[in-house]
Amino acid sequence: DAGVIQSPRHEVTEMGQEVTLRCKPISGHDYLFWYRQTMMRGLELLIYFNNNVPIDDSGMPEDRFSAKMPNASFSTLKIQPSEPRDSAVYFCASSPWTSGRVTYNEQFFGPGTRLTVL
Amino acid sequence: KQEVTQIPAALSVPEGENLVLNCSFTDSAIYNLQWFRQDPGKGLTSLLLIQSSQREQTSGRLNASLDKSSGRSTLYIAASQPGDSATYLCAVRPGGGTYKYIFGTGTRLKVLA
Repeated sequence: DAGVIQSPRHEVTEMGQEVTLRCKPISGHDYLFWYRQTMMRGLELLIYFNNNVPIDDSGMPEDRFSAKMPNASFSTLKIQPSEPRDSAVYFCASSPWTSGRVTYNEQFFGPGTRLTVL
Repeated sequence: KQEVTQIPAALSVPEGENLVLNCSFTDSAIYNLQWFRQDPGKGLTSLLLIQSSQREQTSGRLNASLDKSSGRSTLYIAASQPGDSATYLCAVRPGGGTYKYIFGTGTRLKVLA
């Protein structure tokens, strides 16, 4: 399996621009998570989906952030308009409900997207 | 509100030493606890996951224990190697059905050759 795939790996944009981050979870995983990591705040959960349905978005910082999961193999996190304080590494992770070899609820992380907003 | 703390924030040890990393949580009503490793500029790699009903999990040189009543978990690394140098994070999944994992701030480990 290719693991969780994120794109782009690096994004540099100017304040006010729209940013779209993409994630392909591991096939067969029922849960998808979006996290943000900064030096100041560590790793924070933004939103998570179960079977493509958003379950908890209480970590989404502002209305400028939105996330969608149109199907089981794709999710996006959008920031519009972007601000310098949004600069961070954004991680996507997925988790199975249960699997023969893998302990259920174990999270598998993608490599992250490093976002810089100038 | 669940809070997860990892102390120390950084640790340097000589190669070959056995070491223990600590993770503390304030609410004992957890579903599971997961230990991760993060290399600089990379994503998180899952090391071990302990369900609330378990006391420990082992994988190779790694052993993780869980004491829910005292709100503590430890990650034991035997015979440390320079390749073990990384940041180690623990994450708690609270009870009550949520998947809203709460992460500690991590311990940055450096194993000196």
